[in-house]
Amino acid sequence: GENVEQHPSTLSVQEGDSAVIKCTYSDSASNYFPWYKQELGKRPQLIIDIRSNVGEKKDQRIAVTLNKTAKHFSLHITETQPEDSAVYFCAARGASKIIFGSGTRLSIRP
Amino acid sequence: NAGVTQTPKFRILKIGQSMTLQCTQDMNHNYMYWYRQDPGMGLKLIYYSVGAGITDKGEVPNGYNVSRSTTEDFPLRLELAAPSQTSVYFCASSHKGTVYQETQYFGPGTRLLVL
Repeated sequence: GENVEQHPSTLSVQEGDSAVIKCTYSDSASNYFPWYKQELGKRPQLIIDIRSNVGEKKDQRIAVTLNKTAKHFSLHITETQPEDSAVYFCAARGASKIIFGSGTRLSIRP
Repeated sequence: NAGVTQTPKFRILKIGQSMTLQCTQDMNHNYMYWYRQDPGMGLKLIYYSVGAGITDKGEVPNGYNVSRSTTEDFPLRLELAAPSQTSVYFCASSHKGTVYQETQYFGPGTRLLVL
């Protein structure tokens, strides 16, 4: 069945450094890949997304890359700040629904 | 627009009781979803709907039922509540227009405790 694997499950980086979260998907028909940020006790919110006809997308300190051949996509956060601390979920839209990864808990060390 | 709203915010159920979690969206979205999120875990899809009158099972549908009689509402029914259903439940909606357009908007969640 459709599956999305996300790594690492936890990530701790020094403030100002970069963070990278990686996901792989199984359904080769997937064509839409959103990333969500969930702060403690709050709802997930979309931070960036990428369509299958694009290899890379950037929005200020956040970027996402997609390798369709390898069925792999990644989230890059540069110049991390304390407010980046949260759980991040990748997702892939398959034939009929969106499947979420298991999440990455990102902690920013002062 | 209020977006996606959910009621109640929090509920305690006894084992064997039943309840309905309400979800309403005012964005005229065709797709709606129910997820559960266990503590420290990811989102698991329970049921989803691609439009009024159409529903389908997700990853973890057992113990739940849904209906979609209108575009706006997508209630989730729990029958015979069990401790394993203790979780936070999120409703979400999206508009699947073009192939490359589907941003999901989440409600604030319902925290359910089954004792």
